[in-house]
Amino acid sequence: AQKVTQAQTEISVVEKEDVTLDCVYETRDTTYYLFWYKQPPSGELVFLIRRNSFDEQNEISGRYSWNFQKSTSSFNFTITASQVVDSAVYFCALIGNEKLTFGTGTRLTIIP
Amino acid sequence: GAGVSQTPSNKVTEKGKYVELRCDPISGHTALYWYRQSLGQGPEFLIYFQGTGAADDSGLPNDRFFAVRPEGSVSTLKIQRTERGDSAVYLCASSRGTGSLNEQFFGPGTRLTVL
Repeated sequence: AQKVTQAQTEISVVEKEDVTLDCVYETRDTTYYLFWYKQPPSGELVFLIRRNSFDEQNEISGRYSWNFQKSTSSFNFTITASQVVDSAVYFCALIGNEKLTFGTGTRLTIIP
Repeated sequence: GAGVSQTPSNKVTEKGKYVELRCDPISGHTALYWYRQSLGQGPEFLIYFQGTGAADDSGLPNDRFFAVRPEGSVSTLKIQRTERGDSAVYLCASSRGTGSLNEQFFGPGTRLTVL
């Protein structure tokens, strides 16, 4: 069985602060993919990143960066210089047998 | 191009009634997925189609739930004898094909409320 845990239910930070969202996963697969999605108030899930289990290099995309550590089964997401538009619910997910398994999400609020 | 669309955006029904939720995938996408998202939770897998056939329906909670995709494009999720516990947002996603490299694109969801 696959499981994704996002222990942080809600986080609030002041605009321009950095914030890290934690994700821990469990899987028996040797090859797997991890994802982060953003769900703004409109409700639509927006794809942010996909990571192959073989590639442990950290990735940076603008203000977003991801730290994948296989040894600790973690795939953490950092937003630097946060902005009000970053306010949303963020989901970490794992794919196996075509099905995405999502965590319970972290609600991020950026305070202006 | 158009993304995944779902209709209706909101559906309010009474306990015991039958409802149908529709999903229009991105044109050319062969794989289609249904997920259910309860309040404060992440989406949970229900069923996925590859073409016209249901490749995996292991997430359907019981036999009141059924989904079809007769022509390999539009899909309808059908719920019989609705219960209050069925209230949730039902999300549809599509992808070019199956396999982990194929990103699933999500629609805006249908919010179902069973009174």
